[in-house]
Amino acid sequence: NAGVTQTPKFQVLKTGQSMTLQCAQDMNHEYMSWYRQDPGMGLRLIHYSVGAGITDQGEVPNGYNVSRSTTEDFPLRLLSAAPSQTSVYFCASSRTGGTYNEQFFGPGTRLTVL
Amino acid sequence: AQTVTQSQPEMSVQEAETVTLSCTYDTSESDYYLFWYKQPPSRQMILVIRQEAYKQQNATENRFSVNFQKAAKSFSLKISDSQLGDAAMYFCAYSRFGNEKLTFGTGTRLTIIP
Repeated sequence: NAGVTQTPKFQVLKTGQSMTLQCAQDMNHEYMSWYRQDPGMGLRLIHYSVGAGITDQGEVPNGYNVSRSTTEDFPLRLLSAAPSQTSVYFCASSRTGGTYNEQFFGPGTRLTVL
Repeated sequence: AQTVTQSQPEMSVQEAETVTLSCTYDTSESDYYLFWYKQPPSRQMILVIRQEAYKQQNATENRFSVNFQKAAKSFSLKISDSQLGDAAMYFCAYSRFGNEKLTFGTGTRLTIIP
């Protein structure tokens, strides 16, 4: 299993450009989520999904869109990038149900918006 | 909303010694999960240890153990026999349901002195 994969690893954008950060998992996990990591602030939840066709907002959703058309993929879209979106982005996935299921994180995407 | 506080931005320890990282949290729930994650320079998020709030016994994983004080809402991580590979950022995290919506602290950077 490849686990959770993210592409690209690095990206530089200009203000106002759009792009999609890709996230895929091959573990048949129902739950997927996106976090951003900023210096001194830890990881913060952007959006999450409990299954195909179901998404919801996390703590910092503004400026980001998501969709979940398949179990495997959970892309994060920046429609008009802003310098405040410069960050490292992590995707994570886990099973649902039962008392506990470990979340598996991808390797992250470092995004710089100029 | 739940909050997680790590009051030690940086810590250092001599190799083979023991170090304790502090974490406090705020929640009105009685059942929840607490975690310690390690983030080495590779950026990968690695689960170190978890604690279920309903369990009175402190979790232990090899050289890593926690001191869970539910009434005080305190969750510290003790690393025994510190090794060079333990050098990393350590994040404390909270989740109401175990595998969803993690709330992270701001992290503690641990340096191991040879």
